[in-house]
Amino acid sequence: EAQVTQNPRYLITVTGKKLTVTCSQNMNHEYMSWYRQDPGLGLRQIYYSMNVEVTDKGDVPEGYKVSRKEKRNFPLILESPSPNQTSLYFCASGVGLAPREQYFGPGTRLTVT
Amino acid sequence: AQTVTQSQPEMSVQEAETVTLSCTYDTSENNYYLFWYKQPPSRQMILVIRQEAYKQQNATENRFSVNFQKAAKSFSLKISDSQLGDTAMYFCAFRGSARQLTFGSGTQLTVLP
Repeated sequence: EAQVTQNPRYLITVTGKKLTVTCSQNMNHEYMSWYRQDPGLGLRQIYYSMNVEVTDKGDVPEGYKVSRKEKRNFPLILESPSPNQTSLYFCASGVGLAPREQYFGPGTRLTVT
Repeated sequence: AQTVTQSQPEMSVQEAETVTLSCTYDTSENNYYLFWYKQPPSRQMILVIRQEAYKQQNATENRFSVNFQKAAKSFSLKISDSQLGDTAMYFCAFRGSARQLTFGSGTQLTVLP
């Protein structure tokens, strides 16, 4: 089954404790992206990648890191999480460098206390 | 930067009736894509419908159709014969030459029995 998977689905952590949210897709998509969703703000892009070793900032990259060492994986790293990073996070992927459609993962609910 | 505005935070409709969700956007580009995504309580992001700006014909997908007014930069979603399963948050999104999706803040639609 073609899908985008994220792990973990739920995470509660404390301020300053490094964490990684994994994202993997099995559709051989070139494009991958991370979004955060907050009430009243919709989804905002954090980072995106157009291929292996090619990443770029989205609208809200501060406090986040990403890497794209393999085509299928695009982990999101929070080196020192803070409470304002409490949010719902989505990973997405798409065909080509500027996909007509993005396929979303199931979301990761992160709470930073 | 592009902006997407959804001015209706909440809407409700009776089952079997028709409802229209509004979306406006701001861009100086001529070629772009517009999307409506549905997010049910499961939080999964589901693509409802897509419109290419170069196409004059409005996109339709079964009970879902759009009214795309390029000059007015308006992109509304019409849901006909509303069903209880249509209850969800609906997001309008824009993708231009930049390789990212810009989302509106969402409209929570409730279908009443």
